[in-house]
Amino acid sequence: DAGVTQTPRHEVAEKGQTIILKCEPVSGHNDLFWYRQTKIQGLELLSYFRSKSLMEDGGAFKDRFKAEMLNSSFSTLKIQPTEPKDSAVYLCASSQTGGGQNTLYFGAGTRLSVL
Amino acid sequence: GQQVQQSPASLVLQEGENAELQCNFSTSLNSMQWFYQRPGGSLVSLFYNPSGTKHSGRLTSTTVIKERRSSLHISSSQTTDSGTYLCALELGNMGYKLTFGTGTSLLVDP
Repeated sequence: DAGVTQTPRHEVAEKGQTIILKCEPVSGHNDLFWYRQTKIQGLELLSYFRSKSLMEDGGAFKDRFKAEMLNSSFSTLKIQPTEPKDSAVYLCASSQTGGGQNTLYFGAGTRLSVL
Repeated sequence: GQQVQQSPASLVLQEGENAELQCNFSTSLNSMQWFYQRPGGSLVSLFYNPSGTKHSGRLTSTTVIKERRSSLHISSSQTTDSGTYLCALELGNMGYKLTFGTGTSLLVDP
């Protein structure tokens, strides 16, 4: 079975650019998460979807970050405009909701560098 | 403040030694997960352990909800165990959303 797929693996952007990161969750999973990982802050939740509905929009990340889930098998994270402080690894994760073991599966991440 | 605290922040072992990693939390929780992250790699789930003790090979996870702590024990460490270990809590009344600790960076020397 395919795991969580993220593209691109690496992205370099100039300050002020718009970038779009993509994620394909594990087939059949209902929950999808976008996280940002930095050495200083660790993992921070950006967005959370359940059955394609936005449940959490990440509070402090609302103004320049927008996640969408157009269908159950594809999600995007748009950062507009980018700033150097956005340099980080962006991780997408999915899980199966419902009872039982809700293990979270992560993609390999997109490493973003904003110059 | 920090809802999830991990200790130690970093740890260096000689191959064959055991390790005990701790995760303490300051609020009620629905579940606890432990993840492993190889340097430059993604996160892999090790345990989903809301309470009690679970075993997987050389790894043991123990969660004691009343004491608000969870531990990960690594026995007979190997160089391939090197990486970062993170605990994550699903907090009460927050739906299925995880709050991550800052991680323990483990280095196992040959």
